[in-house]
Amino acid sequence: QKEVEQDPGPLSVPEGAIVSLNCTYSNSAFQYFMWYRQYSRKGPELLMYTYSSGNKEDGRFTAQVDKSSKYISLFIRDSQPSDSATYLCAMNSGTSYDKVIFGPGTSLSVIP
Amino acid sequence: DAGVIQSPRHEVTEMGQEVTLRCKPISGHDYLFWYRQTMMRGLELLIYFNNNVPIDDSGMPEDRFSAKMPNASFSTLKIQPSEPRDSAVYFCASSFSTGPQHFGDGTRLSIL
Repeated sequence: QKEVEQDPGPLSVPEGAIVSLNCTYSNSAFQYFMWYRQYSRKGPELLMYTYSSGNKEDGRFTAQVDKSSKYISLFIRDSQPSDSATYLCAMNSGTSYDKVIFGPGTSLSVIP
Repeated sequence: DAGVIQSPRHEVTEMGQEVTLRCKPISGHDYLFWYRQTMMRGLELLIYFNNNVPIDDSGMPEDRFSAKMPNASFSTLKIQPSEPRDSAVYFCASSFSTGPQHFGDGTRLSIL
C-alpha cells in the first residue's frame, strides 16, 4: 500500500460545478496537509496548508482533514475553466527532517 | 516577491553529455529540495539541504547524479554522464523549516 493514494482521474466537470478531490493516507503521524495546483509546464503551486483535523476555507477552496479516517479533501466551489490543472495532495509529520509525501495528483478539466 | 528561480527552463542534450541544473531559492528559506517528475513515477525527492548542508540524498538514483549548495542562494544538480532515462522535469523547491515547500517552474530535460 502506498503512503498516499489519490485517484489520478482525469476528472471532467462543467463550469460552475462543485469539485471534490480526495486523498487517503496510511501514516497516522501525518499532521500537516497541503494541496498544490500544477498547471501544464509549471511547478506545483501551494493552494492550502492545514494542520491536524478540521476545515480551512480560502475563497472558493475548502480543505478538509479527517485524521480518524486518514482522509483529506479539497472542495472547489463554482469551478472555473482556469481551475483546470493537476491537483496534488501532500503531507508530513512536521518533525525535523521529515520528508513531505506527495500524492500522484488528480487531473481536473472544467468545461465551459 | 521573487519565487524559486530555476535555469535553464529547457535543456536538450545528447547522451553522455554533462547537464547542470541551477536553482535560486526564496531568500531566507533554510531548506532546499530537488525533485524529479515523470508521468510514471510522479514527484520523486532526489535530495534536500538544510542550511546548505545535504541532509538526505537517498533519492539520488545513481552516482551519475550530484548536487551542491555552495551558499544560501544557489544550488546545482549535475548529471554526468547523462542518459535518455534521465529525461524528466526537474524541480527545485525551498521552505522555512517544516513550513510548506514552494516550487520553481522546473527544468524540462530531454536526453537524446
